[in-house]
Amino acid sequence: NAGVMQNPRHLVRRRGQEARLRCSPMKGHSHVYWYRQLPEEGLKFMVYLQKENIIDESGMPKERFSAEFPKEGPSILRIQQVVRGDSAAYFCASSALRGGPYEQYFGPGTRLTVT
Amino acid sequence: AQTVTQSQPEMSVQEAETVTLSCTYDTSESNYYLFWYKQPPSRQMILVIRQEAYKQQNATENRFSVNFQKAAKSFSLKISDSQLGDTAMYFCASQETSGSRLTFGEGTQLTVNP
Repeated sequence: NAGVMQNPRHLVRRRGQEARLRCSPMKGHSHVYWYRQLPEEGLKFMVYLQKENIIDESGMPKERFSAEFPKEGPSILRIQQVVRGDSAAYFCASSALRGGPYEQYFGPGTRLTVT
Repeated sequence: AQTVTQSQPEMSVQEAETVTLSCTYDTSESNYYLFWYKQPPSRQMILVIRQEAYKQQNATENRFSVNFQKAAKSFSLKISDSQLGDTAMYFCASQETSGSRLTFGEGTQLTVNP
């Protein structure tokens, strides 16, 4: 029973390029969350999606960042025209239902390095 | 808006001893959930324990237990019989029932010494 899958695990991009991060939730989970962890900091919420819907994007930067969770396939977090400040670990989590106490299960993260 | 504060950036403990990590939070809701997550050097986020705010009884999972003081908005984690594998960053998190996001504290780096 596979857990939350994220790929790639490591991604290096030059300033100005695009980064695409993928997340496949646990089987049976239809709720996906993206969090960002800057060096030496805790995780910060970015966006919450259900299939084909963005439920809460209040933590997402207004520019250059977008997320989707299509009917088929993984959730995608897309960062356009990356800058050095985007370097961070990006974690995806999934849950079976909305709200607590349904735990969010985390993937291993994608470490993005912008050079 | 929720806030979670962990005031101990680093802690250390000798193997087999007990250690307590502190966490305070703030929320305007009456129903919410609290969690402790562990992040070892692999950086994988692992759920350690959870507490429903409406339950008065403190949650316990093997060597891990919490001291939940609702009036004081305090949620500390006690690790008994510490093991070397407990070395990790520990994050306290809250979740309101009206939303789904987790709000994390800044973390406490715990080192278990042999």
